[in-house]
Amino acid sequence: EIVMTQSPLSLSVTPGEPASISCRSSRSLLHTDGYSYLDWYLQKPGQSPQLLIYLSSYRASGVPDRFSGSGSGTDFTLNITRVEAEDVGIYYCMQALQTLFTFGPGTKVDIK
Amino acid sequence: EVQLVQSGPEVKESGGSLRISCQTSGYSFKNFFLGWVREVPGKGLEWLGIIYPGDSDIRYRPSFEGHVSISADESIGVAYLQWSSLKASDTAIYYCARVMSHEGMVAGFDHWGQGTLVSVTS
Repeated sequence: EIVMTQSPLSLSVTPGEPASISCRSSRSLLHTDGYSYLDWYLQKPGQSPQLLIYLSSYRASGVPDRFSGSGSGTDFTLNITRVEAEDVGIYYCMQALQTLFTFGPGTKVDIK
Repeated sequence: EVQLVQSGPEVKESGGSLRISCQTSGYSFKNFFLGWVREVPGKGLEWLGIIYPGDSDIRYRPSFEGHVSISADESIGVAYLQWSSLKASDTAIYYCARVMSHEGMVAGFDHWGQGTLVSVTS
């Protein structure tokens, strides 16, 4: 099983300021097709998770361009250029390289 | 529009059986994997298993194999998650989610149901 870790586990951000979350996998998520199979999800309070980023850096449909993903292999980052109030919630990374999908512990983001 | 609508909340006693459902619409049900993910309060998200309705290919997280059963009825576009003997530790919110693919590889969950709260009393 691939183990996912995230840092920080909680983050308090001023609206309009940037934010960054790191995710690390216990094994490389780089497939022979050249893509790293890493997703980012946001679970807003009281809602189902929603896909933000897939294949490490591709924004899902309808996701604002203030969200971006980067990284390859075992180290990944989710960046938010200017945090808005609606971005509060728990952010999870998830590896999709193995069908035994595994999530990180989550990073709770709130607004200062 | 892709939609996944799950059955309502359940309260069951430990040792009891249960089946929850996920009604899909807006896409070709048989051509996409569909997965089940649970959220235990304070413990984050955990994947249980996936099914490919087109050929009933089913894969489980090893720790859940034998404890839960995943199935699908292709004729009506519904997937199921079933327990024959519930435990208190099964208390969680269970989500169904469609698996997206990229060039034949599964790449994550792009549409999610609203979740079904399962409460198991001991």
